This record gives sequence, C-alpha cells and structure tokens, in this order.
Amino acid sequence: GAVVSQHPSRVICKSGTSVKIECRSLDFQATTMFWYRQFPKQSLMLMATSNEGSKATYEQGVEKDKFLINHASLTLSTLTVTSAHPEDSSFYICSAGGGVTGELFFGEGSRLTVL
Amino acid sequence: DAKTTQPPSMDCAEGRAANLPCNHSTISGNEYVYWYRQIHSQGPQYIIHGLKNNETNEMASLIITEDRKSSTLILPHATLRDTAVYYCLKGGYNFNKFYFGSGTKLNVKP
Repeated sequence: GAVVSQHPSRVICKSGTSVKIECRSLDFQATTMFWYRQFPKQSLMLMATSNEGSKATYEQGVEKDKFLINHASLTLSTLTVTSAHPEDSSFYICSAGGGVTGELFFGEGSRLTVL
Repeated sequence: DAKTTQPPSMDCAEGRAANLPCNHSTISGNEYVYWYRQIHSQGPQYIIHGLKNNETNEMASLIITEDRKSSTLILPHATLRDTAVYYCLKGGYNFNKFYFGSGTKLNVKP
C-alpha cells in the first residue's frame, strides 16, 4: 500500500517552545492530508484537514493559531504546535489518500512530550 | 453525523476466526465501510473496505448486510500479532476524512 511517513517519531520539548511535525507521502501525491491527535487510551480525534496550496480547515474546538498547518507541496504537510504546554503532550498522526479506491493511509505517528 | 458503534472489547483464541461486528445504521448511499486497526503506539493500518458487496483480501473478509446498516470483519485465523484496536469507519469515496469511534480492542489469546 501507499506509504505515509512522519518525522520526528518522538520529540520532547520545554514548555513555551514550538515544535514542527512533518508528514510526507512517499510514493504518491496528496492534495489533502489530515491531522489527528490521540491521548492515552483514547481514540483518534480529527484536528484539521490540510489542503495543498490553501488554508487548512480546522475541526470545531481546535485552535488554528495554536496548531499551524502548512501544506506547501503535494507530498508534504507540516503541523506546528506553537507555544507548547504540557497539555499538548499527545500522539499526533497524519493521514493521506493514496489508494486506488479511496482508502486513506496513516503515518507512524509522532509522540510529543512537553515538559 | 453519527459515528459507527462497536463493542469495546472481544477475546479470541489463537488460530480461531475473529468476527468483529460494527453498526453503521446512519450510513448514506455513497459511503463506504472501512476497517483499520491500530497496534499500540503506531498509526492505524488499513485492512479492507467495501460498499455493499462482501470483500476479501489477504488480511481479512468483510461481510456487509443487505441493508448496509452493519458489517462484520472476519480475521480467519487470528494470531497473537492481530491483538489491536480495530476501527470501523464510514466515509465517502476518494479520501474523505474519518471520524473515529472507540473501536474494538481485540485480545488474541494463546
């Protein structure tokens, strides 16, 4: 199946700093990518839809100034957690379409720990 | 738009078939049923999807009821490595965004 890769897989940062997470589609072009976050023992929660060449669309309750999304090319979307705080510590997962019949593929996830 | 409904957990003996049910009574005519699984601390892995016909691939079989309000994912010979949380999702064709429910935690036991 299609491959979606995230970097970094783990990141630890100090409170107040910003962290950037990359999501790449390795063998296909993706005009749309999705960002999720997952807290321990919970399901995935959709944060936003990343659109190549235009502004991201955020789900209700997700702060767009807190979670900056840039989709500058057909193979790369980035999520920047600005002024991170301990409550932002979570597992962040991206997904992109790459299947011939519409299925989404997910990245390996990025675990953010804010101290 | 209501999410799908799945039992929170199921047990299965290694080597036996695992049958995971899903209720998607609010599915619309152009929405597919998708199944993914998530092994601890990894991103979800695609398993199978279908519209109205039953589907089979190298990983699993998908049985969709005639009224399309429910489906069953079948892992024919479960192994310990199949222990994971299984998510049943509904979505339109061509990469629609997914809203995840709670999924089913499948425990495959020796």
